[in-house]
Amino acid sequence: EVQLVESGGGLVQPGGSLRLSCAASGFTFSSYWMNWVRQAPGKGLEWVANIKQDGSEKYYVDSVEGRFTISRDNTKNSLYLQMNSLRVEDTAVYFCAGGEGWLVTSWGQGTLVTVSS
Amino acid sequence: EIVLTQSPGTLSLSPGERATLSCRASQTVRKNYLAWYQQKPGQAPSLLIYGASIRATGIPDRFSGSGSGTDFSLTISRLEPEDFAVYYCQQYADSPLTFGQGTKVEIK
Repeated sequence: EVQLVESGGGLVQPGGSLRLSCAASGFTFSSYWMNWVRQAPGKGLEWVANIKQDGSEKYYVDSVEGRFTISRDNTKNSLYLQMNSLRVEDTAVYFCAGGEGWLVTSWGQGTLVTVSS
Repeated sequence: EIVLTQSPGTLSLSPGERATLSCRASQTVRKNYLAWYQQKPGQAPSLLIYGASIRATGIPDRFSGSGSGTDFSLTISRLEPEDFAVYYCQQYADSPLTFGQGTKVEIK
């Protein structure tokens, strides 16, 4: 069974940084494109970034380009999201999600990031 | 960026009724790489339909997807109590991947 477990969320001040992690199990992690998708409180889903199986390609939504960095460690079956220069509008539940292509077939339960002073 | 517009925003129906949800794209979705997800309160989304019309593993046949190009739809033939949720369409053909704003199917 595919399992994706996020961690690292919390309260951070505007301008601060946070690193999210996602631990994967139950599937061959190195064969999946991996994504971060977020959902602001009471709002819809927004794709944030994705990374190719070997880490050689990364894509971002414009609103986080230059501030967020997606990475992975296939030896540890882990996905990461380094978030810098955080803004109030980055407040959301962040989901780790993946699939064999760009189609997302599996999701974690999410971790809440709150950016507030 | 491909903008996806879902309608209606909210659908109020009774169990047993038919639900039809629409998703319109601002430009052609290549290869019909259009998916539908269901999300229940406090839960992660789950995949229902991909490739516009292919049911994901374990999805009951009361769920069906159709459409191509820029116009897509999700139909639930007979609503079960567990189907009341929010539904999102998503295109996974071009970066940035984009979602529609969602359609809430609520009990009338």
